[in-house]
Amino acid sequence: TQLLEQSPQFLSIQEGENLTVYCNSSSVFSSLQWYRQEPGEGPVLLVTVVTGGEVKKLKRLTFQFGDARKDSSLHITAAQPGDTGLYLCAGGGQTGANNLFFGTGTRLTVIP
Amino acid sequence: DAGVTQSPTHLIKTRGQHVTLRCSPISGHKSVSWYQQVLGQGPQFIFQYYEKEERGRGNFPDRFSARQFPNYSSELNVNALLLGDSALYLCASTKTPGHLTGELFFGEGSRLTVL
Repeated sequence: TQLLEQSPQFLSIQEGENLTVYCNSSSVFSSLQWYRQEPGEGPVLLVTVVTGGEVKKLKRLTFQFGDARKDSSLHITAAQPGDTGLYLCAGGGQTGANNLFFGTGTRLTVIP
Repeated sequence: DAGVTQSPTHLIKTRGQHVTLRCSPISGHKSVSWYQQVLGQGPQFIFQYYEKEERGRGNFPDRFSARQFPNYSSELNVNALLLGDSALYLCASTKTPGHLTGELFFGEGSRLTVL
């Protein structure tokens, strides 16, 4: 079983603060995705990283894939209340299928 | 364009009953996957179907089964329901399976409560 551990599990911060969420595994993944899920909705893809060491920026969000392709991080700069949600990392599984292995999730609350 | 649609959105069953959940993928998408999300956890992969064929199966008991129809819609069936089957069941569609950067488009889910 390929397990993805996320930390922290819960995070409550003030608007304007910075934060980093971590996603770690002992397994190597062919790709890694980050999703955000809001209450009552399904997860929505934020980014996909494929190459070890890759860094991608999406406005105030910075995603990094570890050199060994076993871990990833999500950094949010100047968090806003609209960033509130459940952040999930997901590792690509076997080729030929889309059986993603999801992490345990980080529930972020940004207080205005 | 309509996104992934799932029905029903909420349902309550009792132990031992069976349930059928339905999913319609985004138009043009031929692959459908099912995930179970227990409260407080990330989604867990159950099945993937592509062109009506099963392409992947997660670590779930035989009480769970699924199928895909010629119009690419899908059903997830769960027999002999247990309390632990209470969860949000998510359906996701994609054009083709296996692409490293392929995006899964999720529906809003069917929330099943087993009493």
